[in-house]
Amino acid sequence: ETGVTQTPRHLVMGMTNKKSLKCEQHLGHNAMYWYKQSAKKPLELMFVYSLEERVENNSVPSRFSPECPNSSHLFLHLHTLQPEDSALYLCASSQGVGVYEQYFGPGTRLTVT
Amino acid sequence: KQEVTQIPAALSVPEGENLVLNCSFTDSAIYNLQWFRQDPGKGLTSLLLIQSSQREQTSGRLNASLDKSSGRSTLYIAASQPGDSATYLCAVRRPDSGGSNYKLTFGKGTLLTVNP
Repeated sequence: ETGVTQTPRHLVMGMTNKKSLKCEQHLGHNAMYWYKQSAKKPLELMFVYSLEERVENNSVPSRFSPECPNSSHLFLHLHTLQPEDSALYLCASSQGVGVYEQYFGPGTRLTVT
Repeated sequence: KQEVTQIPAALSVPEGENLVLNCSFTDSAIYNLQWFRQDPGKGLTSLLLIQSSQREQTSGRLNASLDKSSGRSTLYIAASQPGDSATYLCAVRRPDSGGSNYKLTFGKGTLLTVNP
């Protein structure tokens, strides 16, 4: 248990659906991250937030829309996804943006049909 | 651009065997290197973190070494157990030169199976 929770743990959605992934951290951290882990590919950083402000958008398609309403919560809004977006989406948090250690949640396994 | 390679991609060993997992990186200018464990469909658990000025770190049956100049790290697991079965990921962090040093570059991982 790392203090970072993610819901739902599994999600199946059609290409025309709209869904959201939720991440919550109970560590008092100020930075939060979204990563994508596709089969047979390294983890890819998607977005980084520091004190609710986005500091990184790693060339992610606009069908992924992040939201960070406060330093404890992070959302990833999904719409009109493609089958190749099926992956494990991991959330992480750290004390701050920089060389602080990142703590990962258990992930949401997303399948796009 | 930093690239991280992990060899082998998969490894199967009998219980009790000592084993070594390998990680190599193309740019030796790193801040630190971290080994993670990932169980199927789950998040990452940090195992060991080695700063660029260190040569090795130990935790229980795990020992990680770092040779920054040659761009290599190894994770040594002693007396392996079935509970060690998981994917092991290596990640390097860019230097603390200001901006973007939160970025971790990951390898694809080594899938370890320890058979009873």
